[in-house]
Amino acid sequence: DQQVKQNSPSLSVQEGRISILNCDYTNSMFDYFLWYKKYPAEGPTFLISISSIKDKNEDGRFTVFLNKSAKHLSLHIVPSQPGDSAVYFCAASAPGGFKTIFGAGTRLFVKA
Amino acid sequence: NAGVTQTPKFRVLKTGQSMTLLCAQDMNHEYMYWYRQDPGMGLRLIHYSVGAGITDQGEVPNGYNVSRSTTEDFPLRLLSAAPSQTSVYFCASSSDRLDAFFGQGTRLTVV
Repeated sequence: DQQVKQNSPSLSVQEGRISILNCDYTNSMFDYFLWYKKYPAEGPTFLISISSIKDKNEDGRFTVFLNKSAKHLSLHIVPSQPGDSAVYFCAASAPGGFKTIFGAGTRLFVKA
Repeated sequence: NAGVTQTPKFRVLKTGQSMTLLCAQDMNHEYMYWYRQDPGMGLRLIHYSVGAGITDQGEVPNGYNVSRSTTEDFPLRLLSAAPSQTSVYFCASSSDRLDAFFGQGTRLTVV
């Protein structure tokens, strides 16, 4: 039973447009959510995070939105660039725990 | 500053062989983790450590052992490799339960 779900295996977006990556979770105890970016043959790198006490966190071109009632979060990338082409993982953790749970990932293609 | 270093990068094992995947970090992080990545499964936590001498099981610990004798090192041992352990293994470290730094991964094939 996947507690963190990324239902879109891939997404293709034109350069300059907005990319929206979605993530759903089932465990209402999760209180911290993260997005990681992964290029081929490299380890994931941390991108942005959000605490459950917030509903939005912004860092440059990247914004994460959290809807606790719907148990849904999304990552917005505006404007999208070809260098953003990568696999994006959504992750979540519960209070006091170290067992961060990852989604299966969404592969983003940004076309020039 | 090397960050998290994993060795080897690639390895092919025969069923039943044992091996140790090495992981070292130079950021003085208390917390270290081992994940495996399989197609369509995301990253799944194998074992983790909250400090030297303290380890605990993650989601998929069977078939793997870990130890943490120093802050810097967190080796992962496969005692008797099975084809189901074919995967990409990532080691990570963090200073708290927030964002983690990952190594470049070890691609392991068990034949």
